[in-house]
Order: sequence, then C-alpha cells, then structure tokens
Amino acid sequence: QVQLQESGPGLVKPSQTLSLTCTVSGGSISSGGYYWSWIRQHPGKGLEWIGYIYYSGSTYYNPSLKSRVTISVDTSKNQFSLKLSSVTAADTAVYYCARTTARRDSLDYWGQGTLVTVSS
Amino acid sequence: DIQMTQSPSSVSASVGDRVTITCRASQGISSWLAWYQQKPGKAPKLLIYAASSLQSGVPSRFSGSGSGTDFTLTISSLQPEDFATYYCQQANSFPHTFGQGTKLEIK
Repeated sequence: QVQLQESGPGLVKPSQTLSLTCTVSGGSISSGGYYWSWIRQHPGKGLEWIGYIYYSGSTYYNPSLKSRVTISVDTSKNQFSLKLSSVTAADTAVYYCARTTARRDSLDYWGQGTLVTVSS
Repeated sequence: DIQMTQSPSSVSASVGDRVTITCRASQGISSWLAWYQQKPGKAPKLLIYAASSLQSGVPSRFSGSGSGTDFTLTISSLQPEDFATYYCQQANSFPHTFGQGTKLEIK
C-alpha cells in the first residue's frame, strides 16, 4: 500500500520561500510509471493543481504559479519536494502531495495534507 | 485553462436516496475526468477515473458517465458515510483543473 506524508514548516513569512517534502513509502518513485503531484486547497475552498514530476525530473506546472514553483525529486530518499517562492497570504492553504496514475488521468494516493500559513 | 463547473453547489438528501451531480467542462475533454470524495479534514479520495471506471475498493453504488463536456456522478442509494464534498477534475490538458465542489448534506 502506497503511503505519502508531507513535511515542512507550518508557518512561513511573506516574501519567503515555502518548502515542503513528500516522503513516499510502499513503493519506489524510481520504478517509474507514475507522476508525483502537489495540490493545494485554500481554507474552505476548492482544490488547485500545482504540478507534478516524473522520476526522471520532467515537470509540469500550473501556469498561474509557474514563475514561483519548483518541484524536484530525490529518488535516493524516495521523496519529492515543492518550493514556492515570494509567498503572500494568498498562498496560505493545505498542501497535499499525491500520486498521479500511470494513465496520468487521476490522483489515486494522497498524503494527509499539511497546513501552511503565510504570516509575519 | 479548462473551466470545470459543478452543479448543484450543494444538495440535501436522505439515506437511501439516489443523487446525481453534474460536471461540465468549458471545452471537450473526451473521457479525461475523475471524481473525488472529500470529508472534512481529510484528503480527497479517488472514486471514478476515465469518466466511468470505478476505482478499486469503491462501492458499486457510485457510478460515473459522460464524455466530451458533460459528466455525471451518481450515487444510487445514499449511505450515511457518503455525506461529503465531491469534486470533478479534468486531466485532458494542463493545468489539470477541478470543479468548485458539490457539498452533499443530510436532509
């Protein structure tokens, strides 16, 4: 059973960089076939797709965030990461990591989510 | 971006009722549509992929249909654990966008 777990600071100051890591267990990122995703949910709101990465390092980002987002992968640690620069209060959200299926059509395993608050 | 519009935004129903939620895409997405269920404080759970394929482990009372721009999620006989918020998501083109959600409440 694949499990994902987000980790990182719960509080980030405005203009700084938000950094989160997702640790995958029960499956190897480097085995290929799947894409590893980040999604966020503003408090009380809907879901926003941030982007995903393949084990090879290929990435796809939401254009609305592309200038500020970097997703990277560390296959030796079976982890992938999210960096979002120049954050504002509008980036306050629950951030989820998830696995995109090999068909690339849905998200079949999700982390529990982590709330990141942007505040001074 | 492809806009995904769900209707209704909220619905009240009783245990045993049949409920249908609609999702409309702003342009054709073939069958690149998934449905998720989210309960408060929890991550979304995949129910349906490829518009009509039931994810493993999901009860058969859930079903999906549609292609192109119009899709539906049907729950044939509501159970107490089905009261939640439901989201559709398109994966036809980037960025993968979600509907705004439909909250299913107990009548």
